[in-house]
Amino acid sequence: DIQLTQSPSSLSASVGDTITLTCRAGQSISTYLNWYQHKPGKAPKLLIYAASTLQSRVPSRFSGSGSGTHFTLTISSLQTEDFATYYCQQSYSTRPTFGRGTKVEVK
Amino acid sequence: EVQLLESGGGLVHPGGSLRLSCAASGVTFSSFGMSWVRQAPGRGLEWVSGLSASGGVTYYVDSVKGRFTISRDNSKNTLYLQMNSLRAEDTAVYYCAKERLGVASPDTFDYWGQGTLVTVSP
Repeated sequence: DIQLTQSPSSLSASVGDTITLTCRAGQSISTYLNWYQHKPGKAPKLLIYAASTLQSRVPSRFSGSGSGTHFTLTISSLQTEDFATYYCQQSYSTRPTFGRGTKVEVK
Repeated sequence: EVQLLESGGGLVHPGGSLRLSCAASGVTFSSFGMSWVRQAPGRGLEWVSGLSASGGVTYYVDSVKGRFTISRDNSKNTLYLQMNSLRAEDTAVYYCAKERLGVASPDTFDYWGQGTLVTVSP
């Protein structure tokens, strides 16, 4: 299985901050990398697919970049509704795997 | 609007069985692959199983192979997960998720249900 390592595991931030989350793959996965937002008791939400393509109706303050083994998710001007856990997921393999998540908390 | 509604979760003893269902609406169900993804208490997301649009090709994570069976009834717009020989480590919220494109293998999940809780305990 392809391992994904997310860092940091948690971070504290304030509304208006710009934050960057990292996801590293155990092998090259080209741009087969997706990002999801997950809030407790809610359905996970697709934010970014193919490393950098914004999913429909997702605010433009979310952006993704990277290829190969190193990927980032940047949230510009953090909003109240953005406090959540973010997961990366690889779709390179026919058996997808997720990172362990980064929890974004209020400072 | 695409909606996915899971059902069938509950409390089961180790070694027992459960069948989860996921009813889809607002989408041409037969055109898309579907998957089950779970989240154990205090843990992250784990993909469990996937199924092609036709139902002819299935995929499983190693830990559930031989115990879980994924299937679908396109005439009823419903996805299933038959879970046998359940273990404590199968305790989780189980989500069904729809593929973004009509590709054969699990890829990118653009819609998810709210989840159904499965608890495996003596």
